[in-house]
Amino acid sequence: DSGVTQTPKHLITATGQRVTLRCSPRSGDLSVYWYQQSLDQGLQFLIQYYNGEERAKGNILERFSAQQFPDLHSELNLSSLELGDSALYFCASSVDGGGYEQYFGPGTRLTVT
Amino acid sequence: KNQVEQSPQSLIILEGKNCTLQCNYTVSPFSNLRWYKQDTGRGPVSLTIMTFSENTKSNGRYTATLDADTKQSSLHITASQLSDSASYICVVADSWGKLQFGAGTQVVVTP
Repeated sequence: DSGVTQTPKHLITATGQRVTLRCSPRSGDLSVYWYQQSLDQGLQFLIQYYNGEERAKGNILERFSAQQFPDLHSELNLSSLELGDSALYFCASSVDGGGYEQYFGPGTRLTVT
Repeated sequence: KNQVEQSPQSLIILEGKNCTLQCNYTVSPFSNLRWYKQDTGRGPVSLTIMTFSENTKSNGRYTATLDADTKQSSLHITASQLSDSASYICVVADSWGKLQFGAGTQVVVTP
């Protein structure tokens, strides 16, 4: 158990809908990272937050947004969902912004039908 | 073009045998290289992290090597066990902390 929690575990929704994925980092970790892993694809970095502020952006679509709250938990919002958004979404956390040691959560499996 | 290339894409080995996975990268300026193990449907778990000055690092039956001159790394699994069946991902960080992920090597250990 990495200490990073993600909810929900599974999510099934229809195209065009909007969903919110939640992540709680390990106690003491200030950075949160979001990744997308499509079927048989590698991990794609989406976005990083550090202590409430956006730190780095990867291949995140404009339909996706994220934020980190004062209690350091983070939410990833996915809107106007398309079939291609079906994937595993992982959250990771690290103690600082450099991300030297990242701990991954169990992931949220999103299925768009 | 992906800056981190892993080979082979997949491999099948008999329980108890050894195997070696390869990772070549072009990421620059280099900061560190990580190997992660990812079981199907689960989050990656860090095996080793190596910086420029480290040539080899072990974690139990896993041994990683790094040649920063040739920009190559390998992960050696000794005396494989059924629980080693997983995807092994090579990740390289640049000096600004940006991570580049390899596509992974899928390892299947058979009895």
